[in-house]
Amino acid sequence: EDQVTQSPEALRLQEGESSSLNCSYTVSGLRGLFWYRQDPGKGPEFLFTLYSAGEEKEKERLKATLTKKESFLHITAPKPEDSATYLCAVQAGRDNDMRFGAGTRLTVKP
Amino acid sequence: DGGITQSPKYLFRKEGQNVTLSCEQNLNHDAMYWYRQDPGQGLRLIYYSQIVNDFQKGDIAEGYSVSREKKESFPLTVTSAQKNPTAFYLCASSTKQGAVEAFFGQGTRLTVV
Repeated sequence: EDQVTQSPEALRLQEGESSSLNCSYTVSGLRGLFWYRQDPGKGPEFLFTLYSAGEEKEKERLKATLTKKESFLHITAPKPEDSATYLCAVQAGRDNDMRFGAGTRLTVKP
Repeated sequence: DGGITQSPKYLFRKEGQNVTLSCEQNLNHDAMYWYRQDPGQGLRLIYYSQIVNDFQKGDIAEGYSVSREKKESFPLTVTSAQKNPTAFYLCASSTKQGAVEAFFGQGTRLTVV
């Protein structure tokens, strides 16, 4: 069965303290891996799509990377406004639906 | 502006009632989805539709029904058969072809009273 596991469940950082969030997956025929940001009470906001191992994407303080088994979301010198839940999702096989991990709740203290 | 609109933002249901959540998109997307989100859990797929007049069950379809009569609209009905309907419901849409990202609405929080 396809699985997506995110770790840690929660992460508390001081402003400026860089770290990484992990998304590991076991799927057959990965077609795409997606990262989203979700603020409390809001819908997820799309961040990145990664398609193949070795691919990297960057946006401001965020960089997403992909290997054959996992993806990392690196956050460099985070600010309090980066506090949110970060969701990882995969598309695999022939369907267009996505399978989501449970998310990592990031808190950045000033 | 293009986007996905969900309404209402908050919805209260009495036990035994059916309620319908609205989802409208003006992105000209072919595919639309409904997800349920519970605290501490990932999004779980309820139903999805790749094209008008066609839809498929997701992982947790029991107690829910949908229709796709127009490309822009994908309403979700939570029936009285859904035993634990209190949750945050999210609608999304995407283009049909390839591995593409989905864009989400702002959600409807349903509470059973």
